[in-house]
Order: sequence, then C-alpha cells, then structure tokens
Amino acid sequence: QVQLVQSGAEVKKPGASVKISCKASGYTFSHYAVHWMRQAPGQRLEWMGWINVGNANTKYSQKFQGRVTITRDTSASTAYMEVSSLRSEDTAVYYCARTVWYWFDYWGQGTLVTVSS
Amino acid sequence: DTVMTQSPATLSVSPGERASLSCWASQSVNSDLAWYQQNPGQAPRLLIYAASTRATGIPARFSGSGSGTEFTLTISSLQSEDFAVYYCQQYNNWPLTFGQGTKVEIK
Repeated sequence: QVQLVQSGAEVKKPGASVKISCKASGYTFSHYAVHWMRQAPGQRLEWMGWINVGNANTKYSQKFQGRVTITRDTSASTAYMEVSSLRSEDTAVYYCARTVWYWFDYWGQGTLVTVSS
Repeated sequence: DTVMTQSPATLSVSPGERASLSCWASQSVNSDLAWYQQNPGQAPRLLIYAASTRATGIPARFSGSGSGTEFTLTISSLQSEDFAVYYCQQYNNWPLTFGQGTKVEIK
C-alpha cells in the first residue's frame, strides 16, 4: 500500500535550519510529484512548494522562496525539505503529499517543528 | 493569491442528517478544486477532486459540485466518522491555496 513516512518531531532555535524527510513506499517514486505543506496551530493549510521527482525540477511559493529547499534521493525513494532562518512563526506541522496532478491523494503523517529559544 | 473562503466555520448536524459546506474562490478556478477531511492529529484525507470526482474508496454519500468561484461539498447522511474538519483547495492558480476549514460537529 502507498505510504509516506516522515521524520520525527524537531525543536529548533530561531535562526537555525531544519531538514525533514519523507520516505515513499508502495509505488514507483519517480512517477509522482511530492509537495510540501504546513499547518500552524489553528491555521489553514499552507502550500510551500513541490518537486518533480523524475527530473528534480522545483517550484516554491513566493512566500518561502529563498528560505525553503526541496530535494529528492530517488535511490532512497525519499524527498526532503529544508527550511532555513527559522523563526517562531514557523512553528507548525509540516506535511509531504503525493500528487499526480495538483490534488493530494496520499499524505505523510506530519512532522511537528517547534521553533523556540 | 487566490483566496479560498469556506462557510460556515462550524456546522452542527445530527447523525443521519444532510450537511452542505460551501467554498468560494476570490477568482475563477474553473473546476480545479479538491476537498479534504481532517481528523484531530491526523493528516488530511482526499475526498473529492476536479470539483465533483470522488477519490478512490470514498463513500457515495460524499458529493461535490460547482465551478468557477462557488463550490459545495454535500454529505447526504452523516455518519459518526464524518464529524471532522473539511478543507477545500484550489489548484488552478499558483500558489496552491486552501480554505480555512469548516468543522462539522455533532448537534
């Protein structure tokens, strides 16, 4: 069965970086794109960016351009998202999700990132 | 950005009753709209895409309609497992955006 398994919760200080992984199984990794979203407490979901797993092309929300980097390792069937220059407002649950087009049919379980001094 | 607005914020419904949830887009998204269900502490679950196409394994009591800027998710007869938060998402314009959610609670 299709699964996306994300890395565990992180606690970071302001100004630090965090890198979250998303390991895929149960399907051909290179045939689907991977997107990243986040959900701050009590807030709506916010789309951050995506990677075409086949050719590694990426696209980011303008809000996160320059601060977010999405990569993938096809040999490990894993996608990654790194967020730099963390601030308290980045405290959120971060999700990866799979797409064929631009709706999300399978999601990771979420990774809580807490930014606190 | 395309702003997605959902109404109402909270909907109180009795089990077995019908629920209708609305989603408006600040500009046309054609039929490029999806609906998700989210339970506390869990990831969202895809219900509907292309405004009206049920995702694999989604019961027939869930239906979607609309195009352009106005969309509706209807749950024909609420079951206990349907009490959750529902989000709409547009994928016609960049960046992809979500509504703020409608919480369906037990009346």
